[in-house]
Amino acid sequence: ETGVTQSPTHLIKTRGQQVTLRCSSQSGHNTVSWYQQALGQGPQFIFQYYREEENGRGNFPPRFSGLQFPNYSSELNVNALELDDSALYLCASSPGGVDAEAFFGQGTRLTVV
Amino acid sequence: DQQVKQNSPSLSVQEGRISILNCDYTNSMFDYFLWYKKYPAEGPTFLISISSIKDKNEDGRFTVFLNKSAKHLSLHIVPSQPGDSAVYFCAASKGSGNTGKLIFGQGTTLQVKP
Repeated sequence: ETGVTQSPTHLIKTRGQQVTLRCSSQSGHNTVSWYQQALGQGPQFIFQYYREEENGRGNFPPRFSGLQFPNYSSELNVNALELDDSALYLCASSPGGVDAEAFFGQGTRLTVV
Repeated sequence: DQQVKQNSPSLSVQEGRISILNCDYTNSMFDYFLWYKKYPAEGPTFLISISSIKDKNEDGRFTVFLNKSAKHLSLHIVPSQPGDSAVYFCAASKGSGNTGKLIFGQGTTLQVKP
């Protein structure tokens, strides 16, 4: 059973650019959630995908968008990058059932300069 | 509006003693609570959870207590080991248990001294 994997692990982008982060969910998991963790803070919920449909969104602007594919892997896209977007981006997958804990990947460290 | 709060940024305990990490929440709609541990350069790792219909859940050295009237939960680690040194996050979700949409606290850094 493979865990949640994210790519790339580190990324440096320039303000105004666009970025795509990728996540492979754990085998058997149909739900993927994305989180942003700024330095010294807890992770903040961005959005969740369930069976390829967005299933809830946190307080993030529309330039944060996502996709989920038929194999349940997922992408997070951020347009018009701002300096404050610099953070650790975490992907979590879960089986989608009641009382099923989410399993996290190791994260992608994004630095916007 | 911080719905889940961990008011202690750090905690230091001696190996073998009890570690108690605290968490407060404001939203009475939360019905599922989790604790995660995070090491540097790794994603959070699930530790233990509790449903709002219970007031205690135990798993080995880890016990989570939930006081719904006080909107407070705590994680007890007994005995503490140096390998427990990490950042601990409490998280909450609402609506039929854990939907994967988690609201996290700011984290507490635990240091266990040998």
